[in-house]
Amino acid sequence: QQKVQQSPESLTVSEGAMASLNCTFSDRSSDNFRWYRQHSGKGLEVLVSIFSDGEKEEGSFTAHLNRASLHVFLHIREPQPSDSALYLCAGGNTGGLSGKLTFGEGTQVTVIS
Amino acid sequence: GPKVLQIPSHQIIDMGQMVTLNCDPVSNHLYFYWYKQILGQQMEFLVNFYNGKVMEKSKLFKDQFSVERPDGSYFTLKIQPTALEDSAVYFCASSSGQSQNTLYFGAGTRLSVL
Repeated sequence: QQKVQQSPESLTVSEGAMASLNCTFSDRSSDNFRWYRQHSGKGLEVLVSIFSDGEKEEGSFTAHLNRASLHVFLHIREPQPSDSALYLCAGGNTGGLSGKLTFGEGTQVTVIS
Repeated sequence: GPKVLQIPSHQIIDMGQMVTLNCDPVSNHLYFYWYKQILGQQMEFLVNFYNGKVMEKSKLFKDQFSVERPDGSYFTLKIQPTALEDSAVYFCASSSGQSQNTLYFGAGTRLSVL
């Protein structure tokens, strides 16, 4: 069963500074990848979906996929305190029957003013 | 964005009782999911439901678990009987298609089995 490692476990950044999060997959069974975030007590909010190597930008979020190294990165440009949340990466398999996702444990991001 | 609603947000029950968790998925979505998250661990897939049937389930989806969506109403997860290890946050999700389509998640129901 695929494992997903996220690093760091927690990250504190100053408002306006770039935040970078990493996600590593244990194998190549996933071929589509997503970043979600979860504010405390709320549902998961999808940020970026990426399906091919390279970069995908959505607003202040940029995902970078490198399938060869099994890494997916998320960069947050000019984060605000409202971006403080748990950030989760997830992988899915296009060829799978159900569209299920495999999640990492998350990176807790705190943005300070 | 599209909203998935879960009711209740927190449920406390005694071990051995039955519990039903309710999910109101996005209105035009066809695929429905339950995920389970034990405190401090990652979210894990339980089951996927489409066209009135379970499409795939994980080993976490025990025999005591069942899902249904009668007549397009709530998508439910029923656990009967509950066990202590069922204590977790249960997240419902829905999507308009499978594979590359985005899953939209609810805020979760925290189930505490005493």
